Amino acid sequence: GAGVSQSPRYKVAKRGQDVALRCDPISGHVSLFWYQQALGQGPEFLTYFQNEAQLDKSGLPSDRFFAERPEGSVSTLKIQRTQQEDSAVYLCASSLDNSQGGEGEKLFFGSGTQLSVL
Amino acid sequence: AQSVTQLDSQVPVFEEAPVELRCNYSSSVSVYLFWYVQYPNQGLQLLLKYLSGSTLVKGINGFEAEFNKSQTSFHLRKPSVHISDTAEYFCAVSPILSTNDYKLSFGAGTTVTVRA
Repeated sequence: GAGVSQSPRYKVAKRGQDVALRCDPISGHVSLFWYQQALGQGPEFLTYFQNEAQLDKSGLPSDRFFAERPEGSVSTLKIQRTQQEDSAVYLCASSLDNSQGGEGEKLFFGSGTQLSVL
Repeated sequence: AQSVTQLDSQVPVFEEAPVELRCNYSSSVSVYLFWYVQYPNQGLQLLLKYLSGSTLVKGINGFEAEFNKSQTSFHLRKPSVHISDTAEYFCAVSPILSTNDYKLSFGAGTTVTVRA
């Protein structure tokens, strides 16, 4: 596709339910990032993939959060036993390279999945 | 670690008036600096970025920003806004020459509302 696609656009979950959020990056993009954006806040880094390798998961809030990118393209962010504090917009972004320092380097963001945990 | 403070959470402005969005950052290392814009129901888009060189950076849609190292600021300006500039604006930084220079740290955002 022309851009980064995320699905579903909205997800309502009952507390304790497991959820899976999908990200389709731009074709050929090596790097993929997940960010969490709580209401009224800026995005916060969760995790980073280079192809299928998860090189940084330092931002994942707890062991209930798990991300994968098994074939180096589509990625899934899974949240187990959801809690109310998990309510946020989850943003996926992709880029050709991983460094933000390249002149031509640009990060492309999806529209996000808004997760509401009741 | 890096942190970003956007000094105004909301900025109302009339059409064709100038606007300035303020951003200050804190970091123990040198950083790259960015401004992103988020239009309703869309993903974040890069407006401009400062990597090195001239401290005045020009971006898309007539926006520009000035890097001030001594004041650790990167304020965004537009001399004349349009209704279509109504959006949320995020300032962000990433560490230079670091193994994790891919990691962006964002401010909380500034909502700009342009009125006719």
